[in-house]
Amino acid sequence: AQSVAQPEDQVNVAEGNPLTVKCTYSVSGNPYLFWYVQYPNRGLQFLLKYITGDNLVKGSYGFEAEFNKSQTSFHLKKPSALVSDSALYFCAVREVADDYKLSFGAGTTVTVRA
Amino acid sequence: IAGITQAPTSQILAAGRRMTLRCTQDMRHNAMYWYRQDLGLGLRLIHYSNTAGTTGKGEVPDGYSVSRANTDDFPLTLASAVPSQTSVYFCASSDWSGRARNEQFFGPGTRLTVL
Repeated sequence: AQSVAQPEDQVNVAEGNPLTVKCTYSVSGNPYLFWYVQYPNRGLQFLLKYITGDNLVKGSYGFEAEFNKSQTSFHLKKPSALVSDSALYFCAVREVADDYKLSFGAGTTVTVRA
Repeated sequence: IAGITQAPTSQILAAGRRMTLRCTQDMRHNAMYWYRQDLGLGLRLIHYSNTAGTTGKGEVPDGYSVSRANTDDFPLTLASAVPSQTSVYFCASSDWSGRARNEQFFGPGTRLTVL
C-alpha cells in the first residue's frame, strides 16, 4: 500500500524567508511524487513532480522539491516566500507500477505574513 | 470551456435524495477521477475511469456511482444521500499516455451539504 505523510498541519513564515513544506512517503516500489497547491475555494493546481533523473525538481512560481530516496522524502521549498504563497499544499505519491491510484497527504496550510 | 468544469458549485441536499454532480473536460484526456476532500484527510479517490466506457472503484466508492459514456463527461451520482457524504467533491483528469507519470488537472469543486 502507498501512503503520504505531511507531518505539519501548519507552517508560518515571514515574507522573504525560506519556506519548507515537509512530505514523506511509503511505497513498495518506485514512486512518482507530486506537489499541488490549493487556494481558498479553488481546485488543486499542479506545482511540480518527480519522475526520474535529477533529485532536485523545479516547478511553478519559484518552488522546487528534492527527492531523497534514502529518507523517503520529497520536501517542497521556496527560497523567498511571498504573501501570495499562503495556501494549502498537498503532497501526493503514485507507485510506478500503479496506473491510477494517486494517494494524497492530509495537506499543510502555509501562512506567509507580511 | 477551458479545462474542467463542475456543476453545481454548491448544493444543500436532504438526506435520502438522489444527486448527480456533473463534470466536463475539454482537454481530451482519457482518464478521469472523482475525489472527496475532507478536513484532515486530504483527498480520497471515489471512482475513476481510464477511458470512455470503463470505470473502476477507488478508495471510498460506497454510496457513489459513475458512468463514462464519452471522453468529456464523468458524472458522479449519489443514489440516496447521507450526511456523511457532506464534503467538497473534485473532478480531475489526466492524459493516459505515459500513464502514471502524468499529473492530474482538477476542477473547481462542488461543495455538497447533506442534511
